[in-house]
Amino acid sequence: SQQGEEDPQALSIQEGENATMNCSYKTSINNLQWYRQNSGRGLVHLILIRSNEREKHSGRLRVTLDTSKKSSSLLITASRAADTASYFCATDARNYGNNRLAFGKGNQVVVIP
Amino acid sequence: DTAVSQTPKYLVTQMGNDKSIKCEQNLGHDTMYWYKQDSKKFLKIMFSYNNKELIINETVPNRFSPKSPDKAHLNLHINSLELGDSAVYFCASSQEDRNTEAFFGQGTRLTVV
Repeated sequence: SQQGEEDPQALSIQEGENATMNCSYKTSINNLQWYRQNSGRGLVHLILIRSNEREKHSGRLRVTLDTSKKSSSLLITASRAADTASYFCATDARNYGNNRLAFGKGNQVVVIP
Repeated sequence: DTAVSQTPKYLVTQMGNDKSIKCEQNLGHDTMYWYKQDSKKFLKIMFSYNNKELIINETVPNRFSPKSPDKAHLNLHINSLELGDSAVYFCASSQEDRNTEAFFGQGTRLTVV
C-alpha cells in the first residue's frame, strides 16, 4: 500500500521562525492530509488538500501539493512553543484501490521558546 | 462529547492472553479504522471497515480481528498476545463518500509482558 513519506529529519527551531516539512507519496490520490500529534495523544487533523488543488492556507499553516512530483509540503509560520509536536501526512487513495489514509513516518518538531 | 472514544487507555497483559480494545464514534461516520503506532511513531493501518467491506492490511497477523456490532463501534480483538504486539493502537473514523478528515481516538497503550 502506498504511504506518505515525510522527510525524516527532526526539526528544532526558535519560536517565531518558520517550520517546513515535506512529504512524498507513490501513487494517485484523492487528497492529502496533515495531522499533528502531541506527545501521548491522538492525532488531530490540521488541513486537507484535494488532488486538484495546489495550495491551501489555514491560519498559520500553508500546504502545497504537487501531484506531478507526488509531493506536499507543510509550512508553519511564526512558530510557537505550542506547535511542538509530531506532524504526519496521510494520503487518501480510496478511488485508486488503496487503503484509506496511509500515514508516513512523521516529523518531530521542537519549537524552543 | 468525545467524538471517537476507545477503551481502555492503558492495557498491560501477559503473553498468550486474549484481549479486546473497544472503539465507539458518535459522529455518524460510516467508516472506521484501526492503526498501530510503534515505538518509532510509525502509524500502520491495520483495518478499515464500513458497512460494505472490510479491508485488511495483508501484513496484519490473523490473531488480530475487528468486530463491528454496529455502525458506531469497531472493536479490536487480539488472540495469543505476543511481546511484539506492544504498541499504541488508535481507532479513527471518517465519512467514506466525502473528502473529509479522519477523527482519532486518544489511543490505547498496550504493553505485553
